[in-house]
Order: sequence, then structure tokens, then C-alpha cells
Amino acid sequence: EVQLVESGGDLVQPGGSLRLSCEASGFNFRDYWMNWVRRAPGKGLEWVANIKQDGNEKYYVDSVKGRFTVSRDNDKNTLYLQMNSLRVEDSAVFYCARSGDEGYDYGAKWGQGTLVTVSS
Amino acid sequence: ERVMTQSPATLSVSPGERVTLFCNASQGVNSNLAWYQQRPGQAPRLLIYGASNRAAGIPARFSGSGSGTEFTFTISSLQSEDFTVYYCQQYNNWPPTFGQGTKVEIK
Repeated sequence: EVQLVESGGDLVQPGGSLRLSCEASGFNFRDYWMNWVRRAPGKGLEWVANIKQDGNEKYYVDSVKGRFTVSRDNDKNTLYLQMNSLRVEDSAVFYCARSGDEGYDYGAKWGQGTLVTVSS
Repeated sequence: ERVMTQSPATLSVSPGERVTLFCNASQGVNSNLAWYQQRPGQAPRLLIYGASNRAAGIPARFSGSGSGTEFTFTISSLQSEDFTVYYCQQYNNWPPTFGQGTKVEIK
């Protein structure tokens, strides 16, 4: 059974940093593009970033470029999101999602999410 | 970025009824469209990808159609567990973008 388990969410002050992790199991992690998607309170879903199987291609939504970094460790079956210079508007539940078998950017499987709150 | 617009925002229907949801893209996205179900406090669940392909394990009462800019999602006979929120998402262009959701509620 495919499982994605996020961790690392916390309360952090504006300007602070946080690293999220997503531990994957039940599938061959190194074969799939992986993604981070977030949902801010009372708002819709927003695709944040994704990363190719070998980690050599990464893409970010404009609102996080230069502040967030996605990475992966295929030996540990783990996806990461390093978030710096956090803003109040970054507060959200962050989900990791596995892309489809063809590599397309849709979320075939999702974790339960981890809550990030940015507040003073 | 592609703006996805879902309609209606809310649908009030009775169990057993057929329901159709709509999703419109601001520019063409070919057939690169997915539909998700999200229950409160849960992660999104993929129902449809490629506009009309059911994901593994998804019941046949869920179906999708369309291409380009206009898409539909149908639940042929609503079950109690289907009363929740549904999102469309295009993945033809970066960044992937979601509609704002349609809430299907019990009439």
C-alpha cells in the first residue's frame, strides 16, 4: 500500500525557516516525480513545487521562488521542502503527492498533510 | 497561468440522483485535467486523470469528459459518502492549477 507521511509542520515567526519531510513507502520512490501542494486556511489548493526522479529538475510556483527549495533522498525514500523567509501567507496545510505513472503533474497519491503556521 | 473555473459553487442534490459538475480553463489544456474529491480533514483523492480516465479503485459511478477548455465530471448515482467537495486541476502548463471547488451537499 502506498503511504506518504509528512512531518515538520510547526508554528514559526515571519521570516523564519522550516523543513518539511515526506517519507514514502509502498512504491519505488526513485521512479516518480514528487510534489508539494498546499492549502491555506479558507483558500484553494496551490501547487508549490515538484522534483524529478533524480532530483536534477525542480520547478516552483512564483510565490515561493527563491525562498523554498525542494529536494529528495532516494536512498531514504524521503522528499523535503526547505522553507526560508516564511510569510504569514505561507500558512497552510502542506501535502506531498506522488505524480502519475507517466510523470504528469497530477497527484496520484497524497499524504495527510502537515500544518505550517506563520505568525508572530 | 491557466485559471480554472468550476461551476456551480454548490449543488444541493438527493442521494441516488445524477450530478454533473463543470470546469472551464482560461486557455486550452488538451486532456490534461484531473478531478479530485476532498473530504473535511482529509487529503485530496484522485478520481479522474486525462480528463476521462478513472484512477485505480475508483467506482464506475464517477466519470469525466471534455478536452480543451470545457470539462464535465459526473456522478451517476450519489451515495452518502459522495457528499463533499470536488476540484478540477489542469496539468498541461506550469504551474498546475486548481479550480476553486464545487461542494455537493445533501438536499
